Amino acid sequence: GQSLEQPSEVTAVEGAIVQINCTYQTSGFYGLSWYQQHDGGAPTFLSYNALDGLEETGRFSSFLSRSDSYGYLLLQELQMKDSASYFCVLEEGGKLIFGQGTELSVKP
Amino acid sequence: NAGVMQNPRHLVRRRGQEARLRCSPMKGHSHVYWYRQLPEEGLKFMVYLQKENIIDESGMPKERFSAEFPKEGPSILRIQQVVRGDSAAYFCASSPGESSYEQYFGPGTRLTVT
Repeated sequence: GQSLEQPSEVTAVEGAIVQINCTYQTSGFYGLSWYQQHDGGAPTFLSYNALDGLEETGRFSSFLSRSDSYGYLLLQELQMKDSASYFCVLEEGGKLIFGQGTELSVKP
Repeated sequence: NAGVMQNPRHLVRRRGQEARLRCSPMKGHSHVYWYRQLPEEGLKFMVYLQKENIIDESGMPKERFSAEFPKEGPSILRIQQVVRGDSAAYFCASSPGESSYEQYFGPGTRLTVT
């Protein structure tokens, strides 16, 4: 089966940088994505890594290392509105496998 | 450009009743996915459908649950004889193509079974 591990909670200060780590176990997958969810609302897509390395999208960057079964999401210049749940997600032929989520709290 | 629409947003059912959840994908999207989320947990894949076809139903419970995406109209997730354990948020997502890592989610239907 597939499983993903990520910290349950992270707290950071406005303007800081935070990294949310994700380790996974799977027999095969296409890529690793990150989704954001505010207050139980619709999850929204943030970033995707099909290949090893860093992908940058504005203040957000995501990294994947297939050999280490590891990835992370990096959020820079944190804003209060970044307080939300962040999910690392494996994509397997259309099916998304979600981690348990990391609750990020941004403090002033 | 309207996003993914789900209705109802909130649904209360007594044990033993049927629940029908509807999902209209984004315009131009022909792939629909259903997920279930319990409080403080991640989303769990249930089923992946194309028009008139079930592509992957590996996450669907074997009994009481069914899904369809007819040629015309919204996708329907149907839960028969609901039990308290079915209480959850049910999210629908859509994508324009197959095997898409970027799925567009609706606001969800909160099902409460009393």
